[in-house]
Amino acid sequence: SQTIHQWPATLVQPVGSPLSLECTVEGTSNPNLYWYRQAAGRGLQLLFYSVGIGQISSEVPQNLSASRPQDRQFILSSKKLLLSDSGFYLCAWSGAEQFFGPGTRLTVL
Amino acid sequence: AQSVTQLDSHVSVSEGTPVLLRCNYSSSYSPSLFWYVQHPNKGLQLLLKYTSAATLVKGINGFEAEFKKSETSFHLTKPSAHMSDAAEYFCVVLSNTGNQFYFGTGTSLTVIP
Repeated sequence: SQTIHQWPATLVQPVGSPLSLECTVEGTSNPNLYWYRQAAGRGLQLLFYSVGIGQISSEVPQNLSASRPQDRQFILSSKKLLLSDSGFYLCAWSGAEQFFGPGTRLTVL
Repeated sequence: AQSVTQLDSHVSVSEGTPVLLRCNYSSSYSPSLFWYVQHPNKGLQLLLKYTSAATLVKGINGFEAEFKKSETSFHLTKPSAHMSDAAEYFCVVLSNTGNQFYFGTGTSLTVIP
């Protein structure tokens, strides 16, 4: 069966510090991968999606970037975090439906 | 373009009473539609999906949804609410390219004991 991992589960970072969130998928090959952000009390905002290694589509211009160095690895990064980057970050992969990871709670202080 | 609109941001029901969470979709083709549930600080879990088979879809935890093309609706229902149903619910439509999922803004369900 397929599983999706995200880490860390919780992160507190100062403004201006870098960020690296990792997502890995097991049990499937060549999945479509997604990064979403969910701000407090808000819906999901699609940040990036990838249909293959090195293929990244950005949905929202911002100070975040994504990379897919391996087929089942998807990384969300930032060089300098902003206060507005706080939120709950969800990684997902899709076949006929989407499967979500457990999420990372990021607080930028 | 595809989109979904969740008509209620908050719904409160008493335990044991029916649940109705409303969703309308916009799509130029026959859509694939989904309902997801999210408990606090958790990832999203699929409740059910519609992919052009039976219009009445049964999901987990006693939830159902009916696809009504004439009304462009995909409302989520449950005959009897349980305390554990308190969560955020998202209606989702899949793009015609099959690569993107468009989420509604969510409906927060409160179940009153």
